[in-house]
Amino acid sequence: DTAVSQTPKYLVTQMGNDKSIKCEQNLGHDTMYWYKQDSKKFLKIMFSYNNKELIINETVPNRFSPKSPDKAHLNLHINSLELGDSAVYFCASSQDYRVYGNQPQHFGDGTRLSIL
Amino acid sequence: GQQVMQIPQYQHVQEGEDFTTYCNSSTTLSNIQWYKQRPGGHPVFLIQLVKSGEVKKQKRLTFQFGEAKKNSSLHITATQTTDVGTYFCAGDNYGQNFVFGPGTRLSVLP
Repeated sequence: DTAVSQTPKYLVTQMGNDKSIKCEQNLGHDTMYWYKQDSKKFLKIMFSYNNKELIINETVPNRFSPKSPDKAHLNLHINSLELGDSAVYFCASSQDYRVYGNQPQHFGDGTRLSIL
Repeated sequence: GQQVMQIPQYQHVQEGEDFTTYCNSSTTLSNIQWYKQRPGGHPVFLIQLVKSGEVKKQKRLTFQFGEAKKNSSLHITATQTTDVGTYFCAGDNYGQNFVFGPGTRLSVLP
């Protein structure tokens, strides 16, 4: 069973469109994350949620809106896509870092977003 | 803000040679984690170091956390082609945001 699953795996779309990426984890973790990895492989955290509550919100354009319907899901919606949004987006989860401190993060396979 | 740097950015080695990547933080870290990302794959957790001066080994991999908890290293003995990938360190400074280093990309020539 896949621990952290993201869909879709590939997303090719036109500039200006709105798209969503879904993420689900079956590890029973309390904390979930979204990362953006650019073409140079830099991994930058975008958001972190703990039990559906937003705890980290880095300097990300407000076109990006995360939504956590429950602690096992953290979806990412992106409005008005731009060329610079092309990247690989990773979802990850971990045990509650506020209780246990930094814990190993388990990553999904990534969503490769290409903007035409 | 907190910065985590890694050197080298790239390393090409002949199979059987040793490899080391170094991680340096601008601030004291509460702990440090290491991840490996294979080409086309996702980051996979390798290890976490918590104590000052801590050394941990996993088969051919040796991880160290500096005495001042501001730097760390990963050493691979006798590299194999399966070691190819990008190695990331990551950490936070006691409650500040968790930050990944830029990674060291390792190529192993057979």
